Amino acid sequence: TQLLEQSPQFLSIQEGENLTVYCNSSSVFSSLQWYRQEPGEGPVLLVTVVTGGEVKKLKRLTFQFGDARKDSSLHITAAQPGDTGLYLCAGPASGGSNYKLTFGKGTLLTVNP
Amino acid sequence: GAGVSQSPSNKVTEKGKDVELRCDPISGHTALYWYRQSLGQGLEFLIYFQGNSAPDKSGLPSDRFSAERTGGSVSTLTIQRTQQEDSAVYLCASSPWGTQYFGPGTRLTVL
Repeated sequence: TQLLEQSPQFLSIQEGENLTVYCNSSSVFSSLQWYRQEPGEGPVLLVTVVTGGEVKKLKRLTFQFGDARKDSSLHITAAQPGDTGLYLCAGPASGGSNYKLTFGKGTLLTVNP
Repeated sequence: GAGVSQSPSNKVTEKGKDVELRCDPISGHTALYWYRQSLGQGLEFLIYFQGNSAPDKSGLPSDRFSAERTGGSVSTLTIQRTQQEDSAVYLCASSPWGTQYFGPGTRLTVL
C-alpha cells in the first residue's frame, strides 16, 4: 500500500508569513495532486505535478515535485487569511488503477489576521 | 454550472439503523466516486463507477456498505446496521476524465 505522509499536521501562522508543507512517500508516484479543503466543503484541486523536479506556481503558491517523484512540497508566500484550510496531497494508487487516489491526512493551516 | 450536490448535508442516526446518502454528479460526468473522511484521517476511497462498467467496490469496508448508480447519474450510498465507527464525512466526486470535482459531503453521526 502506498502511503503519503504530510507534515506538519497543524500549522498556525500570522498573515504575511511564509510557510512550506510537505508530502512524502517511500513509493514512487507517477503524479501528485494538491487539494485545498475548506470547512464544510469538498476538496478543490489546486495543481497536478507529473515530472520529477517540476515546479509549478499558482499566484503565491509554489508546488515542487521531487526529482525521484517520492515527495512534494507546497510553499506559500505572504500567507493571507483566505489561505486557511486543509491542504491534502494525493497520488494514484498502485496497481494500475489511475482513477483510485491515495490521500495524505493533510496539513491544517490557519492564517491569523 | 451546478457542481456536485449531496444530500442530506447532515445525518444523525442511531446505531443499528440503515442510512442512505445521495450524490448528484455534474451533468455529463461519466465517473463517480465515493470517499469517507474520518476525523484526523485522509480521504479513504470507497467505490468508483465509470459509465456502464462494473463498479470498483474494493474500498468498501464491509458488506454493510453498498452503492448504486442509476441511469449513469445519481448515486446512492447505503450503510446498513450503522455502527459508531461509521461516523464520518462521506464525500462524492464526479469526473469527466481525470480531475475529480467533489461535493460538500454528508456528515454522518451514529449515536
